[in-house]
Amino acid sequence: NAGVTQTPKFQVLKTGQSMTLQCAQDMNHNSMYWYRQDPGMGLRLIYYSASEGTTDKGEVPNGYNVSRLNKREFSLRLESAAPSQTSVYFCASSVALGGTEAFFGQGTRLTVV
Amino acid sequence: GENVEQHPSTLSVQEGDSAVIKCTYSDSASNYFPWYKQELGKRPQLIIDIRSNVGEKKDQRIAVTLNKTAKHFSLHITETQPEDSAVYFCAASKLAGGTSYGKLTFGQGTILTVHP
Repeated sequence: NAGVTQTPKFQVLKTGQSMTLQCAQDMNHNSMYWYRQDPGMGLRLIYYSASEGTTDKGEVPNGYNVSRLNKREFSLRLESAAPSQTSVYFCASSVALGGTEAFFGQGTRLTVV
Repeated sequence: GENVEQHPSTLSVQEGDSAVIKCTYSDSASNYFPWYKQELGKRPQLIIDIRSNVGEKKDQRIAVTLNKTAKHFSLHITETQPEDSAVYFCAASKLAGGTSYGKLTFGQGTILTVHP
């Protein structure tokens, strides 16, 4: 089992460009999440999907959109990248929302210049 | 919403010593407290978690304690080894009810360095 797989691993964007981060899990989990990790700020929730067909904003949703394509896949889109979105992005999944282990992908290091 | 504060931000110990990382949370309704370890360049991984119906949980060299009254919980690592060097994150969430149900709020992280 691959667990949670994210693509790409690294990306450099110019300000104003758009891109989509892809995430897929093969553990039959219901809930999926997108976090960003910045030095000294821990992991901050961008968006989450409690189950297939639902998505909700997290702590820092501005500038992002998400799509829960099916039970396996949850993508994160930056419509117009800004330098403030330079970060490491992690996708995660869990059996259910709350109280269960979250499994993380390997991360995407995004630099916006 | 929930706010989780984690201290210290960096911790340096000698191999064999104990390490303690502390977290406080603001929402008294939070009742699930996991700890994640992130090695350099790797993904965070769960190492231990505790629910509010217990005050302490142990797993070999690691333990977590919870004080619901004071709204703080701590990670204890005994007999530290160089491979314990990593960033450790605490988190809190509610297992049911309310708009923040299930969402993990993470602390800022602690960089633990264990010197041989």
